[in-house]
Amino acid sequence: NAGVTQTPKFRILKIGQSMTLQCTQDMNHNYMYWYRQDPGMGLKLIYYSVGAGITDKGEVPNGYNVSRSTTEDFPLRLELAAPSQTSVYFCASSLGDLGAYEQYFGPGTRLTVT
Amino acid sequence: DAKTTQPPSMDCAEGRAANLPCNHSTISGNEYVYWYRQIHSQGPQYIIHGLKNNETNEMASLIITEDRKSSTLILPHATLRDTAVYYCIVGLHGSGNTGKLIFGQGTTLQVKP
Repeated sequence: NAGVTQTPKFRILKIGQSMTLQCTQDMNHNYMYWYRQDPGMGLKLIYYSVGAGITDKGEVPNGYNVSRSTTEDFPLRLELAAPSQTSVYFCASSLGDLGAYEQYFGPGTRLTVT
Repeated sequence: DAKTTQPPSMDCAEGRAANLPCNHSTISGNEYVYWYRQIHSQGPQYIIHGLKNNETNEMASLIITEDRKSSTLILPHATLRDTAVYYCIVGLHGSGNTGKLIFGQGTTLQVKP
């Protein structure tokens, strides 16, 4: 199993541009999550999904959108990028339910907005 | 969700046990304690979790006090590869929970040769 994969690994965006961060897991996990981590800080939850077609907001959802059309994929969309969105983005997945807190994380996408 | 308090940093000699404390004095009866670690620039890695009994797996041991207000993660024989930020997180455990992890600042463990 590849686990959780994220693309791209690095990206530089100009202010106002848009992009989609890709996340795929091959563990047949029901739950998926997007977190961001600013320098020197802990991770903050952006959005999460408990199954295909179901998404919900986390702590810091503003400026982002998600969709979950399949069990495997959970893309994160940035519209109108701003410097405040410069961060490292981590995708995670879990079996969910009793195993919801045992999450597997991807390697991250390092995004710079200038 | 209960908040946790951890020391910002700790050192440990290679080969010795690393004991990482965590205070969670407002934990409720149905909240578990979870530990994750994040090695530099990588995604966090789940280590262990527990409710009230001591737990052990291949990575670490978790000791939770009888009143459940604090816990200690023990890495029995720390290696240089254990240098990382360690996060203590509490959360509800059970059917229907969404698993929203609330990360604090964590403890930076430096294992020294």
